[in-house]
Amino acid sequence: GAGVSQTPSNKVTEKGKYVELRCDPISGHTALYWYRQSLGQGPEFLIYFQGTGAADDSGLPNDRFFAVRPEGSVSTLKIQRTERGDSAVYLCASSLGQGQYFGPGTRLTVL
Amino acid sequence: RKEVEQDPGPFNVPEGATVAFNCTYSNSASQSFFWYRQDCRKEPKLLMSVYSSGNEDGRFTAQLNRASQYISLLIRDSKLSDSATYLCAVNTATNKLIFGTGTLLAVQP
Repeated sequence: GAGVSQTPSNKVTEKGKYVELRCDPISGHTALYWYRQSLGQGPEFLIYFQGTGAADDSGLPNDRFFAVRPEGSVSTLKIQRTERGDSAVYLCASSLGQGQYFGPGTRLTVL
Repeated sequence: RKEVEQDPGPFNVPEGATVAFNCTYSNSASQSFFWYRQDCRKEPKLLMSVYSSGNEDGRFTAQLNRASQYISLLIRDSKLSDSATYLCAVNTATNKLIFGTGTLLAVQP
């Protein structure tokens, strides 16, 4: 069956711009997670949705980062006033119970 | 101390060798543990879940040692295709995963 999909696969933007990253979870998965991964590091947790609500947003680095999941399926991660330090691969994962399944990620480059 | 620690490697082993990785975690209340495989510039793929008594899947065996707070992954009869980064992950009370930095395995012909 279809896995987690993410768009765009690559995003290059300029410092100070706004970006949106989209995640389509596996159909029927109620839990959705956002992580980001920098080179040589493991994925770092950002936010977790159970259904439409953010159950844990403790990993969002600051108020420039925001995520929504209005209908309990697709989620959008929004980053305002991007900084060069935001450059990373943004990974989305979904789950129905134990075990999280990752999408291919969006590689964000902030120039 | 990091919440989840792994030896970054690289582990260079010949084909057919047995190799083992360890991963330590700091939160004694952690309940579930996972091994993921990540190929270069790809997403992590779930390899194995590790529960209280450990488990085996073909050439792969995962073990949990709660007393010493570590999990291990053993790969027998290594194949060239096993070359990848192996990430351990610990599930927290709020279901987020805490990952180690990964261990790089390079299987040589």
